[in-house]
Amino acid sequence: ETGVTQSPTHLIKTRGQQVTLRCSSQSGHNTVSWYQQALGQGPQFIFQYYREEENGRGNFPPRFSGLQFPNYSSELNVNALELDDSALYLCASSPMVLAGGDTQYFGPGTRLTVL
Amino acid sequence: KQEVTQIPAALSVPEGENLVLNCSFTDSAIYNLQWFRQDPGKGLTSLLLIQSSQREQTSGRLNASLDKSSGRSTLYIAASQPGDSATYLCAVPQGGSEKLVFGKGTKLTVNP
Repeated sequence: ETGVTQSPTHLIKTRGQQVTLRCSSQSGHNTVSWYQQALGQGPQFIFQYYREEENGRGNFPPRFSGLQFPNYSSELNVNALELDDSALYLCASSPMVLAGGDTQYFGPGTRLTVL
Repeated sequence: KQEVTQIPAALSVPEGENLVLNCSFTDSAIYNLQWFRQDPGKGLTSLLLIQSSQREQTSGRLNASLDKSSGRSTLYIAASQPGDSATYLCAVPQGGSEKLVFGKGTKLTVNP
């Protein structure tokens, strides 16, 4: 059983650019969530996708957008990058949306640096 | 709005010591509470998931307890080892959703 994978591992962009981060869910999981973790902080929820539909969003502006594909892989897109977007971006998958009853499995993250 | 606090922010102990990490949350209407481990610059590894109907969970040298009424959980690590050095995070679902609300973590250093 493969775990959650993310690509790329590291990424450096400049202010104003756009970035796409990718996540491959654990086999059999149809729910994916994205989190942003700034240095020294706990992860902050960005949004969640369930069966290709957005299923909840945190306090992030619209320039953060996402997609989930039929094979349950996912993308996080960030437009008009700002310096404060520098963070570790984590993807997590779980078997189904079940009122918080399931463990979420996290990927290794993508470290984004905005210069 | 759910808020999660972890105390202490950092902890340094000698190898072999037993230790307790604390987590508190403001909204006691939770379905579960999860403890994670994070190594520097890495993703999160789930350690223990306690359902709201449970009072504790054990895995090896780790024991997590949950007191919903007081909004608290503790993670007990027995006979600590240098390999336990990491940041430990606790998280609870927001309302009835899968959105996890995290504390800022406790950075543990176990000295040989």
